[in-house]
Amino acid sequence: DAGVIQSPRHEVTEMGQEVTLRCKLISGHNSLFWYRQTMMRGLELLIYFNNNVPIDDSGMPEDRFSAKMPNASFSTLKIQPSEPRDSAVYFCASSPQGNNEQFFGPGTRLTVL
Amino acid sequence: QKEVEQNSGPLSVPEGAIASLNCTYSDRVSQSFFWYRQYSGKSPELIMSIYSNGDKEDGRFTAQLNKASQYVSLLIRDSQPSDSATYLCAVNINKAAGNKLTFGGGTRVLVKP
Repeated sequence: DAGVIQSPRHEVTEMGQEVTLRCKLISGHNSLFWYRQTMMRGLELLIYFNNNVPIDDSGMPEDRFSAKMPNASFSTLKIQPSEPRDSAVYFCASSPQGNNEQFFGPGTRLTVL
Repeated sequence: QKEVEQNSGPLSVPEGAIASLNCTYSDRVSQSFFWYRQYSGKSPELIMSIYSNGDKEDGRFTAQLNKASQYVSLLIRDSQPSDSATYLCAVNINKAAGNKLTFGGGTRVLVKP
């Protein structure tokens, strides 16, 4: 079975550009989590969805960040405009209904110059 | 006080010995506890889940939960160099958090041949 799929795996962009990260959940899972990981701050939850509905976005740093889940299996995280301090590895994770176990995708390494 | 705390390490262990990792959490009503392993440059991988007081064994891994003392530990028996990684403790803090997990900062383990 395919795990969580993320694209792109690496993204290098310049300050001010729009960045879109993509995530496909494991089939049958209904919860989706976006995390950011840096050496300084560790693994931080940005936002999570249950059944396509955003439940908690308290971790989203500021209005430059937005996330959508247009259908049950796919999500995007957009940063507009991007800044050098957004450089990090962004992970997507999914979990099945009634279970708190989360399964992580391979991550997107974002570098903003 | 952080919600989930781990010693950052590194925890240096000779090959074949037992590695013992500890994690404490702040909310007494927490119900679900997880250990993830993260190799450098890779995503977190779920290795153990524990929900009840006591021990749970899976191969060379044993998770121990003590809700009264609010700690969860991970033992790695017969440590191998391939166990060298960062181990993240994650807790579903309370029911109000839904199925959100709070992660500790991780303990880096080095197994020396």
